[in-house]
Amino acid sequence: SYVLTQPPSVSVAPGETARLTCGGDNVGSRSVHWFQQKSGQAPILVISYDSDRPSGIPERFSGSNSGNTATLTIRRVEVGDEADYYCQVWDGSSDHVVFGGGTKLTVL
Amino acid sequence: QVELQESGPRQVRTSQTLSLTCTVSGGSISGTTHYWSWIRQPAGKGLEWIGRVYYSGATDYNHSLKSRVTISVDTSANQFSLKLRSVTAADTAVYYCARLDYYGAGTSWGQGTLVTVSS
Repeated sequence: SYVLTQPPSVSVAPGETARLTCGGDNVGSRSVHWFQQKSGQAPILVISYDSDRPSGIPERFSGSNSGNTATLTIRRVEVGDEADYYCQVWDGSSDHVVFGGGTKLTVL
Repeated sequence: QVELQESGPRQVRTSQTLSLTCTVSGGSISGTTHYWSWIRQPAGKGLEWIGRVYYSGATDYNHSLKSRVTISVDTSANQFSLKLRSVTAADTAVYYCARLDYYGAGTSWGQGTLVTVSS
């Protein structure tokens, strides 16, 4: 089945830019969604279809997807952005929703 | 604003069946653009998709759980349900219900419910 690979952790200082990656075989041919999950809370969709921001998500959040890597970029990182971030795709060959293992973003 | 709420027993005995219901409010479960999913998350681990049901009753399941899972929909009650048979401690997790589109995007999730499996 299809596999999405995310680095376990990323650290960034407040005000800097965080780039969270999601690797998969030709993932650029799929639509990637990104979810933010803060401690003890349900996940929240922050980017859909590679680069669309749902209503209420700050413009600091953006996404891109090409080749074997999708990227969630968070500009001007704030302490409140500290969370686990999961990428997700639909795998039509197996009729599965697939999640990456998640990246813990730490804001130093 | 669609809201989802999980309900069901919080404790299940080993080898028994875990049963949860998700009640949808603020919108109809019979909408044609959404799929109603169950996702779980063991403590300290990542998200695992369990499966989904369409309003028609059509289902897709995670292959690793398919032999033990049934997801069904009750359009008259605006609810959908999860049954996971022959549970073990490895099935202990927070279980979320969610409204997702065909490709998995969705902004409506339940708050999650912790289900503990023990003997």
